[in-house]
Amino acid sequence: NAGVMQNPRHLVRRRGQEARLRCSPMKGHSHVYWYRQLPEEGLKFMVYLQKENIIDESGMPKERFSAEFPKEGPSILRIQQVVRGDSAAYFCASSPPGASTEAFFGQGTRLTVV
Amino acid sequence: ELKVEQNPLFLSMQEGKNYTIYCNYSTTSDRLYWYRQDPGKSLESLFVLLSNGAVKQEGRLMASLDTKARLSTLHITAAVHDLSATYFCAVVLIVYSGGGADGLTFGKGTHLIIQP
Repeated sequence: NAGVMQNPRHLVRRRGQEARLRCSPMKGHSHVYWYRQLPEEGLKFMVYLQKENIIDESGMPKERFSAEFPKEGPSILRIQQVVRGDSAAYFCASSPPGASTEAFFGQGTRLTVV
Repeated sequence: ELKVEQNPLFLSMQEGKNYTIYCNYSTTSDRLYWYRQDPGKSLESLFVLLSNGAVKQEGRLMASLDTKARLSTLHITAAVHDLSATYFCAVVLIVYSGGGADGLTFGKGTHLIIQP
């Protein structure tokens, strides 16, 4: 059973470009979470999604950021018109259904905006 | 806003020594996680502490939770080089009534270097 798969592992974008980060949850997991880790900081919750639904996006910046988890395919975190401050490691986690289940993290995508 | 503070943030110690990492948090929560992160890698779950007074041990690591003091500790006994990593505590920010993993707020992490 493969773990949470994120790609790409490293992404470099110029200011103003779009960044697309992908996350395939573990088999049997229907819940996906995105966290952002700024340098020398802990992870910050961004968004929680189930298939075709956004459950909690309270940690998402109001502009330029969006996330989806379609019926088929991976979850996508999309950042439009990237700025240098978006440079960070973005981690995806997944969990199975059920109350207060444990989340398993992927290896992250390290985004660098130049 | 839930704040989670870890200390120390950096720790260099010698093999064979004992040390404790502290995790304080600002609002009521009775669930706390400890994770390990190696450079460039993802987070590995170490412990889940689910109630006041919970204590869990795995090898040279032992974690405890005092919900009244809003404090968790991660104690390292007779440290070995392989334990060098960054350790994060994470406190439950929100429990979703519809199920799924709890939303977490993480501390900044403790960078632990264990020297031979």
